[in-house]
Amino acid sequence: KAGVTQTPRYLIKTRGQQVTLSCSPISGHRSVSWYQQTPGQGLQFLFEYFSETQRNKGNFPGRFSGRQFSNSRSEMNVSTLELGDSALYLCASSFGQGANYGYTFGSGTRLTVV
Amino acid sequence: AQTVTQSQPEMSVQEAETVTLSCTYDTSESDYYLFWYKQPPSRQMILVIRQEAYKQQNATENRFSVNFQKAAKSFSLKISDSQLGDAAMYFCAYDPGYALNFGKGTSLLVTP
Repeated sequence: KAGVTQTPRYLIKTRGQQVTLSCSPISGHRSVSWYQQTPGQGLQFLFEYFSETQRNKGNFPGRFSGRQFSNSRSEMNVSTLELGDSALYLCASSFGQGANYGYTFGSGTRLTVV
Repeated sequence: AQTVTQSQPEMSVQEAETVTLSCTYDTSESDYYLFWYKQPPSRQMILVIRQEAYKQQNATENRFSVNFQKAAKSFSLKISDSQLGDAAMYFCAYDPGYALNFGKGTSLLVTP
């Protein structure tokens, strides 16, 4: 079974630009969530999608948005990039209930804003 | 808001010895999940162990076990027979059922 695939692995963008990151979950997983990891703030929840609907959202400005497609693949978009948006962005697909519940993470996209 | 506290920024253990990483959390919920994730230098987040709050029995996975104290809101991870490959950042996470709230992490160094 293929894992969670995130593309691209690395990105360098200029302040003010926008960026789109992609995440393909494990086949059969319908929930996809996004996290931002920075040295200062640690790991923070961005949002979660299930069956093409955003179910939960973290405390991030509206410049951060996402969507999920019918095949469960998800994209995350950041507009008007700021230097502080430089981070590792992790996607996770979640599975199961009860004893089988958990998250599998992708390898992340390292975004650098210059 | 739920918070997760890992009070040990760094820990060190000798190969083959046992180490315990601490984690406390704050919540008013009664039903939730707790996780320990490991992040080696490759940055890949790897699930170590999971605990369902309604289960009294502490979870175990091979050399990894937890001490879950629900009333005290404590969830520590014990690593037995430590191996060089255990060196990584360890994150404790609380999940009410839809998102992970992570602690700041504990960096574990394993010495030969």
